[in-house]
Amino acid sequence: GAVVSQHPSRVICKSGTSVKIECRSLDFQATTMFWYRQFPKQSLMLMATSNEGSKATYEQGVEKDKFLINHASLTLSTLTVTSAHPEDSSFYICSALGGAEAFFGQGTRLTVV
Amino acid sequence: RKEVEQDPGPFNVPEGATVAFNCTYSNSASQSFFWYRQDCRKEPKLLMSVYSSGNEDGRFTAQLNRASQYISLLIRDSKLSDSATYLCVVNGGGSYIPTFGRGTSLIVHP
Repeated sequence: GAVVSQHPSRVICKSGTSVKIECRSLDFQATTMFWYRQFPKQSLMLMATSNEGSKATYEQGVEKDKFLINHASLTLSTLTVTSAHPEDSSFYICSALGGAEAFFGQGTRLTVV
Repeated sequence: RKEVEQDPGPFNVPEGATVAFNCTYSNSASQSFFWYRQDCRKEPKLLMSVYSSGNEDGRFTAQLNRASQYISLLIRDSKLSDSATYLCVVNGGGSYIPTFGRGTSLIVHP
């Protein structure tokens, strides 16, 4: 089946620094990828839709200048959390559609100290 | 009303029990339906797709009721390893963005 690889799986950073998370579709081309965030005991919340070669579409309440998304190729989307703060600590997951099925990266657990 | 709603549970059942979850969706034009399983601190993984005619995979049965706009998941002969969060995902209806329910927590105890 289709595989989506996300890296890193875990990152701890200092407050004020930036963190980049990569999401790659390994055996299919993904013109659209999705970035979700999940807080403890909460559901997956869509942050933004990443479109290859164009600007990402952000959900209401998600700061586009804080969560920078780049989808420069059909197999790679990146999410950069800029000037991270402790409240940004969360589980971030990317997803890509292979047909109608959603395939997920392994997720990145971000801890900002 | 949320687009996709699930009872968060937890459902606490003994081994061998039969348990059922429902998930309601608000967009009547939705076209694709799935159940995903998510273990603690892991990414969601597809458990099964939900077809109009219903489908069964071993101990798991999924059904779709378009008239009432809900899907269901039935687990028979529960195992300890079935303990997880089960996410309902709805897709289509003008959008190809998968929309998740908040998940239903299942705890199977000895």
